[in-house]
Amino acid sequence: SAVISQKPSRDICQRGTSLTIQCQVDSQVTMMFWYRQQPGQSLTLIATANQGSEATYESGFVIDKFPISRPNLTFSTLTVSNMSPEDSSIYLCSVGDVSSYEQYFGPGTRLTVT
Amino acid sequence: QKEVEQNSGPLSVPEGAIASLNCTYSDRGSQSFFWYRQYSGKSPELIMSIYSNGDKEDGRFTAQLNKASQYVSLLIRDSQPSDSATYLCAARFSSGSARQLTFGSGTQLTVLP
Repeated sequence: SAVISQKPSRDICQRGTSLTIQCQVDSQVTMMFWYRQQPGQSLTLIATANQGSEATYESGFVIDKFPISRPNLTFSTLTVSNMSPEDSSIYLCSVGDVSSYEQYFGPGTRLTVT
Repeated sequence: QKEVEQNSGPLSVPEGAIASLNCTYSDRGSQSFFWYRQYSGKSPELIMSIYSNGDKEDGRFTAQLNKASQYVSLLIRDSQPSDSATYLCAARFSSGSARQLTFGSGTQLTVLP
């Protein structure tokens, strides 16, 4: 399976600021996703990152708050904008296999908003 | 509404025992099912995928799928303390985006030495 890295691994940010999280894959992948995992909770899909077009957002998530870029098949960014303490969470990118639909996760970014 | 349900636990088993984790899903047309293991502070790791009715074995792990009952389970034989983790069940639903997975809330497993 692909090797996935995320930067930063963790950050502490002030309310009202923005943070951009990077996801890098060591091979070209078609499917890439962004998830949020709040403390003690399961995974919630934020959006599907589409190469060359706008991301597809899930209900409850909007582009103004979580802008996503996918400039090529190995890289994506998720920005958490105008942060509040409720955005404190682990943010995970994943890549999907087009035939098996298996998904593999990056190591995650632990965000704390104060 | 697309749902995947799991008992949150915690589930405790003694070392060497069989741990049984269960999952039900709402969409009868779902085709693909996955079990992930997540250690505390780590990201989820795929351990099993199953697509057809019946059992699928991989080492100490066996996934079982019953589409008629909309039920997926994971058995861990000869449980070890290193198996202590949260286990997430996921399903690919037939409706909506066929690429997405929906995750259950996870079952926390503790294997007691």
